[in-house]
Amino acid sequence: EAGVAQSPRYKIIEKRQSVAFWCNPISGHATLYWYQQILGQGPKLLIQFQNNGVVDDSQLPKDRFSAERLKGVDSTLKIQPAKLEDSAVYLCASSPQGLAANIQYFGAGTRLSVL
Amino acid sequence: GQQLNQSPQSMFIQEGEDVSMNCTSSSIFNTWLWYKQDPGEGPVLLIALYKAGELTSNGRLTAQFGITRKDSFLNISASIPSDVGIYFCAGQPLGGATNKLIFGTGTLLAVQP
Repeated sequence: EAGVAQSPRYKIIEKRQSVAFWCNPISGHATLYWYQQILGQGPKLLIQFQNNGVVDDSQLPKDRFSAERLKGVDSTLKIQPAKLEDSAVYLCASSPQGLAANIQYFGAGTRLSVL
Repeated sequence: GQQLNQSPQSMFIQEGEDVSMNCTSSSIFNTWLWYKQDPGEGPVLLIALYKAGELTSNGRLTAQFGITRKDSFLNISASIPSDVGIYFCAGQPLGGATNKLIFGTGTLLAVQP
């Protein structure tokens, strides 16, 4: 079974530029999560989707971050414009429905450097 | 927001030694998970705990869900070099309707062969 796919693996941009990350969850997983992991810290949830609807985006900086999951499968996270403090690893995770719904499976992440 | 205090922050041990790390919270959790993250990779699930007092093993790893529901520990026995990485606890707050996980700050484990 294929895992969570993310691209690109690395991205270097200058501040005030825009960037987008892509995630394809494990097939059949209804729930998709985007996390931000700053160096030396644990992952912090940015947004959670259930199918194509947003369940929790309380920690998403909505003035510059946006995310969509239009068809309820893959998802895109965008930052516009980027700031220096956005340098981090952006992790995507997915989870199935039912009894294992609280088990999240992570992708390898996209490492963003903002210069 | 809610935080998990994870300790120790880092550990440097000799191969073959046992390791213990723990996680505490100021609020109650109804699920505890332990993940391991290798450099350049995403976290990988090691053990999931669902009930207070539950003790679960996965090979050389053993984890327990604290009776108060506010803490959990992870033990690794007879460590080997491939145990190197960052270990994260994660908890699902009681009453949460979204399966949201709160992650600890991580324990960096280094194993000297």
